[in-house]
Amino acid sequence: AQSVTQLDSQVPVFEEAPVELRCNYSSSVSVYLFWYVQYPNQGLQLLLKYLSGSTLVKGINGFEAEFNKSQTSFHLRKPSVHISDTAEYFCAVSVGAAGNKLTFGGGTRVLVKP
Amino acid sequence: GAVVSQHPSRVICKSGTSVKIECRSLDFQATTMFWYRQFPKQSLMLMATSNEGSKATYEQGVEKDKFLINHASLTLSTLTVTSAHPEDSSFYICSAGTGQMAQHFGDGTRLSIL
Repeated sequence: AQSVTQLDSQVPVFEEAPVELRCNYSSSVSVYLFWYVQYPNQGLQLLLKYLSGSTLVKGINGFEAEFNKSQTSFHLRKPSVHISDTAEYFCAVSVGAAGNKLTFGGGTRVLVKP
Repeated sequence: GAVVSQHPSRVICKSGTSVKIECRSLDFQATTMFWYRQFPKQSLMLMATSNEGSKATYEQGVEKDKFLINHASLTLSTLTVTSAHPEDSSFYICSAGTGQMAQHFGDGTRLSIL
């Protein structure tokens, strides 16, 4: 079985400051990794994914994440946040195929302050 | 990008009513659809995996007779909450995936049982 841990439940950050959201996973097999964002009362939107290849993945809205196999981590970063980045962020993994069942982390709420 | 439409977005109904939620993949054929439940300020909990033309696979602890899932075509899956009670009130989200394509999520349905 897989598990995903998001170490920070809440991250307050000032506008235009950088932010990093931490995600660690455990799995006995290779995984596919994802970051999703959820705005209030909405579904999840895919920010980026790691399937294979380069360990640095660039996504939408200026976000990027780096897959570190030795540390089983997939941390999400943005160099300069906007007020509109205030949302809940979820890290998730799947095995076997990218479209397979997802295991989610607990989520990290990002609150961007002016 | 891939679009998943979920309908209705909000339902308010009396206890004992059955409620049907639809999930449609608009621009691709989804071999697999997933149904999640999300409690306030929590992560998504997978309820069941729905494969076109076969019975859904329910996660442990999810009552299959309470949450009926039908996946009659490659673009439509439905979740019916039968004889809903206040404790069934929640945010329900569907997603669709196929092969190596990452799951794409609907916008969710807010179910409130009075």
